[in-house]
Amino acid sequence: AIQLTQSPSSLSASVGDRVTITCRASQAISSTLAWYQQKPGKAPNLMIYDASSLESGVPSRFSGSGSGTDFTLTISSLQPEDFATYYCQQFNSYPIFGGGTKVEI
Amino acid sequence: EVQLVESGGGLVQPGGSLRLSCAASGFTVSSNYMNWVRQAPGKGLEWVSLIYSGGNTSYADSVKGRFTISRDNSKNTLYLQMNSLRAEDTAVFYCARGRAGGRFDYWGQGTLVTVSS
Repeated sequence: AIQLTQSPSSLSASVGDRVTITCRASQAISSTLAWYQQKPGKAPNLMIYDASSLESGVPSRFSGSGSGTDFTLTISSLQPEDFATYYCQQFNSYPIFGGGTKVEI
Repeated sequence: EVQLVESGGGLVQPGGSLRLSCAASGFTVSSNYMNWVRQAPGKGLEWVSLIYSGGNTSYADSVKGRFTISRDNSKNTLYLQMNSLRAEDTAVFYCARGRAGGRFDYWGQGTLVTVSS
């Protein structure tokens, strides 16, 4: 079964920083990779789909890239509301999620 | 406006049963594939089950044989029947709409299931 490994599992950053989160698949996957943001006590929120497409309403400071086994989520200039946990997800035979990356102050 | 509202969570003893509901509005449940995703306290997201528009279903190995996903088209509602519950099933359960490419574009607010004696 395909596994998605996110790195780092957590990171500390400051407002204005550029942040990059990596999602590595255990084997090559299609570019139908999605990224979600989750804040404490809230449901996940779709940010990026098809590896690089920005979901409607998501700020342009978020971007996604990658193909094959390596994908990245980048926040170009971290804002206070971006402190959250981020998950990658892909649907192969069934949906799978990465372990999450917590972005802290 | 698309909305998903879960209900049915609560405290149940090990070995017990519970049925979760997810009432949808703003779209037709039977025209999409629908999912249940859970999150144990302090842990990450785990996909649980899905039902395709055609009615086919799929389950995570961890719940296969114990959980059953279904829908009522007349009520535009998704269900998850959970039997033989275990302590490790304790989690917030979310329903989510699946879209082309495998992304989940709308999620409910979640309902907490606690399995404990």
